Amino acid sequence: EVQLVQSGAEVRKPGESLKISCQGSEYTFPYYWIGWVRQVPGKGLQWMGIIYPSDSDTRYSPSFEGQVTISVDKSINTAYLEWKSLKASDTATYYCGRHVGGSTNSPFEYWGQGTVVTVSS
Amino acid sequence: EIVLTQSPATLSVSPGERATLSCRASQSADTSLAWYQQKSGQPPRLLIHSATIRATGIPARFSGSGSGTEFTLTISSLQSEDFTVYYCQQYNKWPRTFGQGTKVEI
Repeated sequence: EVQLVQSGAEVRKPGESLKISCQGSEYTFPYYWIGWVRQVPGKGLQWMGIIYPSDSDTRYSPSFEGQVTISVDKSINTAYLEWKSLKASDTATYYCGRHVGGSTNSPFEYWGQGTVVTVSS
Repeated sequence: EIVLTQSPATLSVSPGERATLSCRASQSADTSLAWYQQKSGQPPRLLIHSATIRATGIPARFSGSGSGTEFTLTISSLQSEDFTVYYCQQYNKWPRTFGQGTKVEI
């Protein structure tokens, strides 16, 4: 069974850096696009970006480009979402998701359990 | 970017009744439209992709229709576990975008 397991909850101060992870298993990790979605408490879903582990081809939403970095280490089947300088407005639950097939023209079929990030002074 | 507008924001229905949720796109999404269900504290669950195709394991009471700019999710007979929030998402153009959600309540 396909699984995406995310790293645990994080608490940081504004200005600090952070990298959260999403490890995939029970599928051929390099050949499925994997992405990140933000959900601010009590609000809807926001698509952030995706990465193709095989060649690290990455696509960002303009709303998030320059604010975060999506990366991958295919040797350990893990995708990352990273901030260099967190803001209080980054407080949210972050989900990783895997596309239905090997194409970007598909929705997220499998999801991680979510990582809660709290940024507070 | 394609803006998806879901209506209504909240839908009040009784168990056993039919629910019809709408998703309108600001420009054509072709049939590259998905519907997700999200329960509190859980990740979204894919219900429908390609506008009309049920995802694996999704009950037949869930159906999707539409193309272009107008899409509908229909739940034919609401069960207790269906009272939650639903989102549409387009994957026709970059960036991919979600609607703001419809809450289905008793």
